[in-house]
Amino acid sequence: AQTVTQSQPEMSVQEAETVTLSCTYDTSESDYYLFWYKQPPSRQMILVIRQEAYKQQNATENRFSVNFQKAAKSFSLKISDSQLGDAAMYFCAYRKGGTSGSRLTFGEGTQLTVNP
Amino acid sequence: EPEVTQTPSHQVTQMGQEVILRCVPISNHLYFYWYRQILGQKVEFLVSFYNNEISEKSEIFDDQFSVERPDGSNFTLKIRSTKLEDSAMYFCASRASGNTGELFFGEGSRLTVL
Repeated sequence: AQTVTQSQPEMSVQEAETVTLSCTYDTSESDYYLFWYKQPPSRQMILVIRQEAYKQQNATENRFSVNFQKAAKSFSLKISDSQLGDAAMYFCAYRKGGTSGSRLTFGEGTQLTVNP
Repeated sequence: EPEVTQTPSHQVTQMGQEVILRCVPISNHLYFYWYRQILGQKVEFLVSFYNNEISEKSEIFDDQFSVERPDGSNFTLKIRSTKLEDSAMYFCASRASGNTGELFFGEGSRLTVL
């Protein structure tokens, strides 16, 4: 079974600084997708960034980027120029490729605090 | 922007009662999901639904749970006889067709079982 592990229950960062959230996963599949979701106090899960396993290039979305190390099964999220609105719970998630394996498996989450 | 909507936002019920949580997925989406998050714990998959039938379910999704898409727009989760440990936030999500489609989540329904 696939597992996703986030070893940092809490992280904090100063406004405008950079922070990296860690995630590791375990799978025997070669076709899969990795995601970072943000869950602010409003509780709705919002997609931050997505990475396809077959792509070697790391995904980037504005201030958010990932460091995808396929051999190490590591998928960290870097937030640059942190803003107060980035404060939230961040979940790393895995989904097997192919329409039959469409469930998301989430990590435990990392609570990010942004200090002014 | 289209969104997944869930009702009620919060429901309090007595143990043993039946509860129905409702979701309206994004209109052109074909895959529907329920996830659960017990307070302080990780988000857990319950069930996925495609083409009017369950496509996958977890070990959590036992006989007391059922899902239905009664009218082509709503997607419901029924808990037949609630237990204290069913207290959680329940998230509905939907996904368009295609392999890379992301899941769009609703804001969740908080269920409190007394």
